[in-house]
Amino acid sequence: DTAVSQTPKYLVTQMGNDKSIKCEQNLGHDTMYWYKQDSKKFLKIMFSYNNKELIINETVPNRFSPKSPDKAHLNLHINSLELGDSAVYFCASSHSIAAPAIFGPGTRLTVL
Amino acid sequence: GENVEQHPSTLSVQEGDSAVIKCTYSDSASNYFPWYKQELGKRPQLIIDIRSNVGEKKDQRIAVTLNKTAKHFSLHITETQPEDSAVYFCAAWVNQAGTALIFGKGTTLSVSS
Repeated sequence: DTAVSQTPKYLVTQMGNDKSIKCEQNLGHDTMYWYKQDSKKFLKIMFSYNNKELIINETVPNRFSPKSPDKAHLNLHINSLELGDSAVYFCASSHSIAAPAIFGPGTRLTVL
Repeated sequence: GENVEQHPSTLSVQEGDSAVIKCTYSDSASNYFPWYKQELGKRPQLIIDIRSNVGEKKDQRIAVTLNKTAKHFSLHITETQPEDSAVYFCAAWVNQAGTALIFGKGTTLSVSS
């Protein structure tokens, strides 16, 4: 049973397009996150959602918008994709604050 | 904002040697410090964590130490094996208008046999 799942695993698209990445967790966790891992492997927090409420939003362009239809899902929508958006995007979840975060398998986004 | 500094960025050891990775954090309110291992092409996976009320924690060949006064924590791997080769990340929970897990920039550990 997959704890945190993401789709798609790979996403190749042209500049200017709009795309979404889906994330689901079956752990009953209250908090979900999106991280971006660039080519230098740096893991940067993008968003945190706690009980469907956005609780942190780092300096991320407003082209990125998280959407949470329910506590088990946190999707990432990206408008007007740019070359610099190419990265691996990881979804993660945790039971509560200051608790272990479980990561999804990642989505490798390539913008051409 | 919170900053988590991690050193060294790369570490090469011989099989059987020990490896130590060090991290410092800036937010004195941080109270949870996990370590993650990421193999090539895989997701980060939790290997050990420590809370602020504990100074040291061990799990077989892996140990973590925490000095809250100095705001630094370290990962110790003893009797390293080739399968320990990976990127290791430290992290700290911080409160910034909410809460987040902030990561260090990672250490690439290479264990040669």
